[in-house]
Amino acid sequence: AQSVTQPDIHITVSEGASLELRCNYSYGATPYLFWYVQSPGQGLQLLLKYFSGDTLVQGIKGFEAEFKRSQSSFNLRKPSVHWSDAAEYFCAVASYTNAGKSTFGDGTTLTVKP
Amino acid sequence: DVKVTQSSRYLVKRTGEKVFLECVQDMDHENMFWYRQDPGLGLRLIYFSYDVKMKEKGDIPEGYSVSREKKERFSLILESASTNQTSMYLCASYAGQRLEKLFFGSGTQLSVL
Repeated sequence: AQSVTQPDIHITVSEGASLELRCNYSYGATPYLFWYVQSPGQGLQLLLKYFSGDTLVQGIKGFEAEFKRSQSSFNLRKPSVHWSDAAEYFCAVASYTNAGKSTFGDGTTLTVKP
Repeated sequence: DVKVTQSSRYLVKRTGEKVFLECVQDMDHENMFWYRQDPGLGLRLIYFSYDVKMKEKGDIPEGYSVSREKKERFSLILESASTNQTSMYLCASYAGQRLEKLFFGSGTQLSVL
């Protein structure tokens, strides 16, 4: 069965500092991986996705993620965090033929200090 | 861009009431999903539908049913609401193509008193 682990429930960083959110997955075949962001009172918005090719994926809002097959990880990074990045972040895994059956991690809440 | 609209942002119901959560998408997507979101538990799939009048159970279907009479609309039904169904409910749609993504609505925060 597929699963996603986000080890950090809550992370606090200062504005302008770098950010890394961790994601580990378990999937029997080639994984199709996502990072979503949820701002307060909003639905989930896709930041980026990865299936194949360059293992460093660029997304919206200056985010990037690196796929490491050997570590079963898909960590999200941003070099300089803005106050508007405060939100909840979800990592997800699915089959590339059916993103609708995504399995989500429990989420990481990001707080940004001024 | 695709729009997924959930009819209510906040809903307060009493135990035992029948509750309808409505979701409409405007991009002719065949696939629609209902998720439940609880703190520390991420998103869990309740039901999904690949076509009109078609439905399949997700990971946590107990206490819920769904209806899909038209392609654009997918309803989640709580036949007899209970306090443990207090949660954020998210609807999503998906075109069904390979390497596509889910489009989410803004969610309905349901409180059952």
